[in-house]
Amino acid sequence: GDSVTQMEGPVTLSEEAFLTINCTYTATGYPSLFWYVQYPGEGLQLLLKATKADDKGSNKGFEATYRKETTSFHLEKGSVQVSDSAVYFCALRISSGSARQLTFGSGTQLTVLP
Amino acid sequence: GAGVSQSPRYKVAKRGQDVALRCDPISGHVSLFWYQQALGQGPEFLTYFQNEAQLDKSGLPSDRFFAERPEGSVSTLKIQRTQQEDSAVYLCASSLWTGENQPQHFGDGTRLSIL
Repeated sequence: GDSVTQMEGPVTLSEEAFLTINCTYTATGYPSLFWYVQYPGEGLQLLLKATKADDKGSNKGFEATYRKETTSFHLEKGSVQVSDSAVYFCALRISSGSARQLTFGSGTQLTVLP
Repeated sequence: GAGVSQSPRYKVAKRGQDVALRCDPISGHVSLFWYQQALGQGPEFLTYFQNEAQLDKSGLPSDRFFAERPEGSVSTLKIQRTQQEDSAVYLCASSLWTGENQPQHFGDGTRLSIL
C-alpha cells in the first residue's frame, strides 16, 4: 500500500540554522505530494505541494522538490525562525483511481531556539 | 470565520458510552474527510464523502464507527460503545471538490479521551 516515511524527530535548531526534514514515499500510482504544518494548539495547515515529478513547491521560505527517481520530497529552509517551531507532516495523495484521501507520515517535531 | 469548524473541541467519555463528533465544512465544499490522529502519529484516513454520498469508508476501524452527512454539508462521526483505544484527535477536512489541485482544509479537531 501507499506509505510515507519521515525523518524521526524531534529536531532542535538554533535560529537562522538550515533545516532539512527528509521524506520518502511508496505509492502504486502517481502521487501528489504535500507538506502540512501543525502549530501548537492549531489544526493542520497546507505548507506547500507538488503535483508531478521535478516540481518544486515553495511557501514562507520553505521548499521541497518532487524527486521521482529517489521517491523523495525533502523539506528545506535556509534560515529558520523561532516561529517555525511546529510539527511538520509529509503526505501524499494518489491522483488516479477513486482514492482521494491523504496518506501522512508520522510527523517531525521542530523546535527552534532563539 | 470561514474555516472548517469542529465541535466539541474536547470530549471525555467513559468506556462503553456512545459519542458524536460534529464537523461543519467550509460552505460550498463538496468533499469531506474524517481522519484519526493518535498521539505522536500522523492522521489516518477514516472515511470520505462527496456531497451526501459516502464514497469510501475503508478506514473505519470497526463497525462501532459510523459517519453521515445527510444534507451534504454538516457531518457527524459517531462512535458506539467506545473503547480506550478510540482515544485520539479526530480531524475533519473539506475541499471544494476532489480534483488534483484542490487542497484539503482541516479543522482544529476534536480530542477524544476515553476513561
